[in-house]
Amino acid sequence: EAQVTQNPRYLITVTGKKLTVTCSQNMNHEYMSWYRQDPGLGLRQIYYSMNVEVTDKGDVPEGYKVSRKEKRNFPLILESPSPNQTSLYFCASSLFGGLSSYNEQFFGPGTRLTVL
Amino acid sequence: GENVEQHPSTLSVQEGDSAVIKCTYSDSASNYFPWYKQELGKRPQLIIDIRSNVGEKKDQRIAVTLNKTAKHFSLHITETQPEDSAVYFCAASRDRRKLIFGQGTELSVKP
Repeated sequence: EAQVTQNPRYLITVTGKKLTVTCSQNMNHEYMSWYRQDPGLGLRQIYYSMNVEVTDKGDVPEGYKVSRKEKRNFPLILESPSPNQTSLYFCASSLFGGLSSYNEQFFGPGTRLTVL
Repeated sequence: GENVEQHPSTLSVQEGDSAVIKCTYSDSASNYFPWYKQELGKRPQLIIDIRSNVGEKKDQRIAVTLNKTAKHFSLHITETQPEDSAVYFCAASRDRRKLIFGQGTELSVKP
């Protein structure tokens, strides 16, 4: 089954304790992206990747890191989480057919993170 | 910076009525406008999208219209049903790299 998976689905942690949220897709998609969803703010892009070893900042990258060593995986790293990073996080992926070609973004199930 | 404003934030309609959600974008170079539906506790899913070279697109009970001059686009749902209840997000993009989302509209369809 074609899908985007995220782990963990729920996480409660404390300030300053490094954590990684994994994202994996089995659709051979070039493009992957991370979003955070907060009430009243919609979805805001954190980082995106156009392909292996190609990553760039979205609108709210502060406090986050990403890596794209393999095409299927795009982990989100919080090296020193703070309470303002408490949020619902979504990973998404899509085919990339060039900058003028748009393909549907498929979202993962979400990771609800609480930082105490 | 680039911004998408979405209204209303909540919308309640009776089953069978129509619902309209409106979005305004700031980046005049935006050329792709998708709409996502997010049911409670679920992931966002694409329901319809429109490119800037098209003024209107329909898919059964849903339609999207685009006014490039005014920089706004709207989602129209006709003959609403309880299963249409969800949060709807509009988005805009000027290229494939970034998707700017609106704040979301919580639609409630009352039987």
